[in-house]
Amino acid sequence: GAVVSQHPSWVICKSGTSVKIECRSLDFQATTMFWYRQFPKQSLMLMATSNEGSKATYEQGVEKDKFLINHASLTLSTLTVTSAHPEDSSFYICSARDRTGLQGEAFFGQGTRLTVV
Amino acid sequence: AQSVTQLDSQVPVFEEAPVELRCNYSSSVSVYLFWYVQYPNQGLQLLLKYLSGSTLVKGINGFEAEFNKSQTSFHLRKPSVHISDTAEYFCAVSGPNNDMRFGAGTRLTVKP
Repeated sequence: GAVVSQHPSWVICKSGTSVKIECRSLDFQATTMFWYRQFPKQSLMLMATSNEGSKATYEQGVEKDKFLINHASLTLSTLTVTSAHPEDSSFYICSARDRTGLQGEAFFGQGTRLTVV
Repeated sequence: AQSVTQLDSQVPVFEEAPVELRCNYSSSVSVYLFWYVQYPNQGLQLLLKYLSGSTLVKGINGFEAEFNKSQTSFHLRKPSVHISDTAEYFCAVSGPNNDMRFGAGTRLTVKP
């Protein structure tokens, strides 16, 4: 099956610094990638939809200036958490859709655990 | 927009007993339905999916689900659970834009 790789799998950063998370489709091209966050013992909440070569579409309530998304190629999307604060600590997961795959299918990365101290 | 409701936040069950995890969806367009399992501090693993065709879908680890359009449901079942099935289970719905929406999750705990 299609593989999506996220890096890093975990990161600890100081409050006020920025952190970049990468999401790569390893064996397929992804015109669309999705970013989710998950708080402990809660569900995944869609943050934004990232389309290759265009601006991301953010869900209501998600600060676009704080969560910068770049989808510069068909295999890579990045999420940068700017000026991170402890309340940004969460589990971030990306997913990607194979441009040639079945409608409705998306493949998930293994997630990134962000801890802001 | 589409949405998903998982009716049970926690389901305790004894080993080798059958289990059903309930999921209802709402959408004004055709949807695709999924069940994922998540183990602690890990990503999501796809159990099964309904895209089209047969309404009874079989997945990995002995799980199956039935798409019921009239009841807008996609309940997950397993005839005999194991201790290793203890995990969080998420039902998800995806529309034409592939933006997947998740239910709140059901914590399945299998007791010996």
